[in-house]
Amino acid sequence: QKEVEQNSGPLSVPEGAIASLNCTYSDRGSQSFFWYRQYSGKSPELIMFIYSNGDKEDGRFTAQLNKASQYVSLLIRDSQPSDSATYLCAVNMSGGYNKLIFGAGTRLAVHP
Amino acid sequence: ETGVTQTPRHLVMGMTNKKSLKCEQHLGHNAMYWYKQSAKKPLELMFVYSLEERVENNSVPSRFSPECPNSSHLFLHLHTLQPEDSALYLCAAAGLGTDTQYFGPGTRLTVL
Repeated sequence: QKEVEQNSGPLSVPEGAIASLNCTYSDRGSQSFFWYRQYSGKSPELIMFIYSNGDKEDGRFTAQLNKASQYVSLLIRDSQPSDSATYLCAVNMSGGYNKLIFGAGTRLAVHP
Repeated sequence: ETGVTQTPRHLVMGMTNKKSLKCEQHLGHNAMYWYKQSAKKPLELMFVYSLEERVENNSVPSRFSPECPNSSHLFLHLHTLQPEDSALYLCAAAGLGTDTQYFGPGTRLTVL
């Protein structure tokens, strides 16, 4: 069973702090990794994708990938109350047709 | 606005009804997906279409019947559903050969 694991949270951080969201996956052959943000009652919104080991930065967001450890993370710098949402990690598992396996998500709460 | 629209946004139906969900993408993409999102569960992939051909059916009960008449439209036909089928149904689109998926707003389905 190919899986993606996330801590369900809630992860509570003060405004202005760095929020760190983590994700592990089971399929060592996975090549593509995605972070989506989902506000309550809304659909997932793509934040970032990463393919290579290391860090990828986009504004306040940094995705980090370590394929050897089968670990991907998302850092949110200068967290804002508007960042409060559920963050979904998704992995394109090897085999099959470009299908993403999603984690259950981590709920982030940024308090003023 | 992701370029993927879904109608209706909300649907309430009885177990004996037949209804259809519609998805339309304006991205020029060639792959379309149906997902189910139940409370407290990860997103579940239901069907994958590539170039209007179904390439994946993720062991979905036959009371869910997909249809993809062209690369811009995707339908999910529903009949004799059960209350446990109540969920948020999400459509996504991706470019051919890519695995970056963009989601529509979803249809919130309630089966009475």
